[in-house]
Amino acid sequence: QSVLTQPPSVSAAPGQKVTISCSGSTSNIGNNCVSWYQQLPGTAPKLLLYDNNMRPSGIPDRFSGSKSGTSATLGITGLQTGDEADYYCGTWDNRSSVFVFGGGTQLTVL
Amino acid sequence: EVQLLESGGDLVQPGGSLRLSCLGSGFSLRKFAINWVRQAPGKGLEWVSLMSDGGNNISYADSVKGRFSISSDNSKNMVFLQMTSLRADDTAVYYCARGPIPGATFYFDPWGQGTLVTVSS
Repeated sequence: QSVLTQPPSVSAAPGQKVTISCSGSTSNIGNNCVSWYQQLPGTAPKLLLYDNNMRPSGIPDRFSGSKSGTSATLGITGLQTGDEADYYCGTWDNRSSVFVFGGGTQLTVL
Repeated sequence: EVQLLESGGDLVQPGGSLRLSCLGSGFSLRKFAINWVRQAPGKGLEWVSLMSDGGNNISYADSVKGRFSISSDNSKNMVFLQMTSLRADDTAVYYCARGPIPGATFYFDPWGQGTLVTVSS
């Protein structure tokens, strides 16, 4: 069982918007920045967002992030079939001094 | 271009040992926190270990503590993960991922392509 809780799967139609939640505690999300990773089928994870809502160079503004208290949210607008992937949230956990990931959310674009 | 390249994955028997390598290019590994993250078949990501501050800061997940050891060769710009007493549940793709410079927020970028470790008799 992961320290951070994500829904196992979400789905939406092309062009629509989807959100993926990531729930933690005061020892992790509540006191540290959250990052998000996209893992396309058969590939290595790739950084999608860092510092809760910052996009690395090359990541389109269709991807956004937010954090409130002990939860974070990834938003994707204008869904494309190429967005079908597993999405993971992650942050440092001060209590256990390890980096923790959510269990991952599989996005299906119907 | 900043890149990481893992190698060393293999099929190994339970109780055996293996050393994974992570070669950095385009940057100096010793200036960043270099991490190992693994992913068991069909499962999610699990952070395994990190080395930072030129090797003065090392940390392990509880699941590998006492069995895995991280080290580096700065002259080769490489980080290693020595794995001993391997178990079936260590079977995974092992990724090398760059973490932050000291004092910066913690996230991983970039990631290597991964190397597969299979523990089976």
